[in-house]
Amino acid sequence: QSVLTQPPSASGTPGQGVTISCSGSSSNLGTNFVFWYQQLPGAAPKLLLYKNDQRPSGVPGRFSGSKSGAAASLAISGLRSEDEADYYCAAWDDRRSAWVFGGGTRLTVL
Amino acid sequence: QVHLEQSGAEVKKAGASVKVSCKTSGGMFRRHPIHWVRQAPGQGLEWIGAIIPVSDTADYAQRFQGRVTITADASTSTSFMEVTRLMSEDTALYYCAESDPHLGNAFEIWGQGTLVLVSS
Repeated sequence: QSVLTQPPSASGTPGQGVTISCSGSSSNLGTNFVFWYQQLPGAAPKLLLYKNDQRPSGVPGRFSGSKSGAAASLAISGLRSEDEADYYCAAWDDRRSAWVFGGGTRLTVL
Repeated sequence: QVHLEQSGAEVKKAGASVKVSCKTSGGMFRRHPIHWVRQAPGQGLEWIGAIIPVSDTADYAQRFQGRVTITADASTSTSFMEVTRLMSEDTALYYCAESDPHLGNAFEIWGQGTLVLVSS
């Protein structure tokens, strides 16, 4: 059972937009930044967004993030086949003194 | 360009220990924390712990305290993670990742992963 809650799956057709949610509590998302990681099949995770909504260089502007209270979301616009991957949210948890992850959302591009 | 290179796959018997290495090149080994994260087959990511090489202090997720030891060798820019008393549930891909304080400690650079297979 993951500390952060994500839907197990999401899907969309090429060109569409999709949003992936991540919910937590006051000890993690409620007070700390959310981070998003993308894991392509057979690959190591890759940093997608940091500090709620900041994109590292090289990440397309199609990926955006937001956070309000203890809930966060990742939005992907203009879906492309190469976006098919697992997406994980993460945050520092003050009560556990540990980094916690969501269970991951598998995005399928139909 | 920072790169993390991990040691190769390991097959161990239950009850044994395993030590995985993670060598940093091209980066700020001493100053940036090195984290260890694992992923069981078909499962999500789980944080194990981290070390700040310059201070040689390590922190662990509660469930791994006492069974996992993370160390760093500044002379070779290498971090190590040792897991003792292995159980079949420890079968997983183990990743090291370097976090950047300027990015809110995001796990910016990841190793390729090391498969640890524990047989009973």
